[in-house]
Amino acid sequence: KAGVTQTPRYLIKTRGQQVTLSCSPISGHRSVSWYQQTPGQGLQFLFEYFSETQRNKGNFPGRFSGRQFSNSRSEMNVSTLELGDSALYLCASSTQRGSYEQYFGPGTRLTVT
Amino acid sequence: GESVGLHLPTLSVQEGDNSIINCAYSNSASDYFIWYKQESGKGPQFIIDIRSNMDKRQGQRVTVLLNKTVKHLSLQIAATQPGDSAVYFCAENEGGGNKLTFGTGTQLKVEL
Repeated sequence: KAGVTQTPRYLIKTRGQQVTLSCSPISGHRSVSWYQQTPGQGLQFLFEYFSETQRNKGNFPGRFSGRQFSNSRSEMNVSTLELGDSALYLCASSTQRGSYEQYFGPGTRLTVT
Repeated sequence: GESVGLHLPTLSVQEGDNSIINCAYSNSASDYFIWYKQESGKGPQFIIDIRSNMDKRQGQRVTVLLNKTVKHLSLQIAATQPGDSAVYFCAENEGGGNKLTFGTGTQLKVEL
């Protein structure tokens, strides 16, 4: 079974631009969560989607948004990019919500210049 | 100001020895815990999980211990191998959803 896939793997943007990242969960997984990983803050939860609905949101500004499609694929968008948005963005998928194993993709490395 | 990178504690072990990585979690309401391994340039890899109604769970070469009284989690790796070198994270789930709160991580270095 294929793992979680994320595209693109690497991205370079300039301040003020916007970016869309994509995540395809493991087949049969209905939950997708997004995380930001930086050297300064570690791994931080962004949001969680299940059945096309955002179920939980982390402490990030409104510039960070996401959505989930009927096939469980998810996208996240960051508008008006700032230098501090440079990070590894990871998505994780799970069959259900709650105490279930979550599997991560390889991440998208975003660099904002 | 300038951001400062998190200082990751480092555990250095000899190949073949057992490793113990510790984690203190923050929320007494957390009911599910996961250990992840992250190699350079890759996403976190699921190792083992444990629910709050258990004290111990064993996998292949790994054991997780949970002490709810002191909110402490540990990962034991038997016969540590060079391929075990990575950063290890514990994560807690408060329940009801899929939000994971991660620890800062521990760098495991295996010396030949």
